[in-house]
Amino acid sequence: QQQVRQSPQSLTVWEGETAILNCSYEDSTFDYFPWYHQFPGESPALLIAIRPVSNKKEDGRFTIFFNKREKKFSLHIADSQPGDSATYFCAARLKYVFGAGTRLKVIA
Amino acid sequence: DMKVTQMPRYLIKRMGENVLLECGQDMSHETMYWYRQDPGLGLQLIYISYDVDSNSEGDIPKGYRVSRKKREHFSLILDSAKTNQTSVYFCASSLSWGAETLYFGSGTRLTVL
Repeated sequence: QQQVRQSPQSLTVWEGETAILNCSYEDSTFDYFPWYHQFPGESPALLIAIRPVSNKKEDGRFTIFFNKREKKFSLHIADSQPGDSATYFCAARLKYVFGAGTRLKVIA
Repeated sequence: DMKVTQMPRYLIKRMGENVLLECGQDMSHETMYWYRQDPGLGLQLIYISYDVDSNSEGDIPKGYRVSRKKREHFSLILDSAKTNQTSVYFCASSLSWGAETLYFGSGTRLTVL
């Protein structure tokens, strides 16, 4: 009964490539879509977020693309670095539910 | 220094024992959350607290209860713990219901034998 579905479960990219992480949702009342990252042994922390009034949000190498009609959003990590290796969770508010996570590994 | 503090960091209990996980925050945040994290399942919402004595079930409340008697403290209680409650438990807080950012504690790794 995952309210936010996330794919892929794991992703490996080479340094310099763009990593693409995907999420979808069903509930149209969700009004805010954040991405959190979690490094091994640490707690999740907010990375970037978007509201559905926009279809794109950029912050440095991180970009969210949002498709309200299809109820999908994705995180693009450009010029991926080994330090980006972490688990990434998409989420949706109002109740703040999370996807199952994508474990990203960036190989130098 | 804004912080969400969880105690203990590691806990081992036997099946049938009672478990108390504690969470505190020093930001006067109204809303607090309990999640559990399991491989392949991500972060699953157990309970939300909107403020003192104002709690609501999340997606997986069965087997858990909570207590919030002070705004800065939110406790998760497992009465008669089960082996399938072995997990990492995270507490989080936000300024208010609908606030944009969740601040997470460092987690409690609970093992139920």
